Amino acid sequence: SQELEQSPQSLIVQEGKNLTINCTSSKTLYGLYWYKQKYGEGLIFLMMLQKGGEEKSHEKITAKLDEKKQQSSLHITASQPSHAGIYLCGADMDSWGKLQFGAGTQVVVTP
Amino acid sequence: DAGVTQSPTHLIKTRGQQVTLRCSPKSGHDTVSWYQQALGQGPQFIFQYYEEEERQRGNFPDRFSGHQFPNYSSELNVNALWLGDSALYLCASSLSNTQYFGPGTRLTVL
Repeated sequence: SQELEQSPQSLIVQEGKNLTINCTSSKTLYGLYWYKQKYGEGLIFLMMLQKGGEEKSHEKITAKLDEKKQQSSLHITASQPSHAGIYLCGADMDSWGKLQFGAGTQVVVTP
Repeated sequence: DAGVTQSPTHLIKTRGQQVTLRCSPKSGHDTVSWYQQALGQGPQFIFQYYEEEERQRGNFPDRFSGHQFPNYSSELNVNALWLGDSALYLCASSLSNTQYFGPGTRLTVL
């Protein structure tokens, strides 16, 4: 069963616009990880969130973890072509480093 | 500082054959995890190695086995290949929590 749900499945955004991706778990998370993947390539680590209510930012990307540690969002401000790719949320459900991933969100940035 | 490396990059096998994939972790990392990613899906956890022992295993059959060497590098072996084993195989290394991924090995089973 899919314990991590990502939405939307895909989105097309005009360059300069903002976008948000959501990741919802049916269980409390010990750690929530965001990765970016170019098609057919490895995963690039973006951010890790562990504490309820935690928020982290890097350049134009901000990730938040809700107080109950069951939902996270990834927000990109003023999107650029370099932001195109597949964004994956991964969750450590039992604190032992066995990550479970959502199906991914494909982001396309148009001129 | 080299990141996680994997070999080979691509591999084509036929049903019933056996395959070995290799992974070298990021410098200083002692834990290696393997994932299978089918087209259009998120990675699925296969197993994790620490101190040359399998520490955790996902829902994969015994045809999938692995090994970790004293230098922390690792191998993934798959016996009796099925068509359904065609996927991108990802290796990730870690020292504490965060896992860093390699570029993957694309396995095609014909």
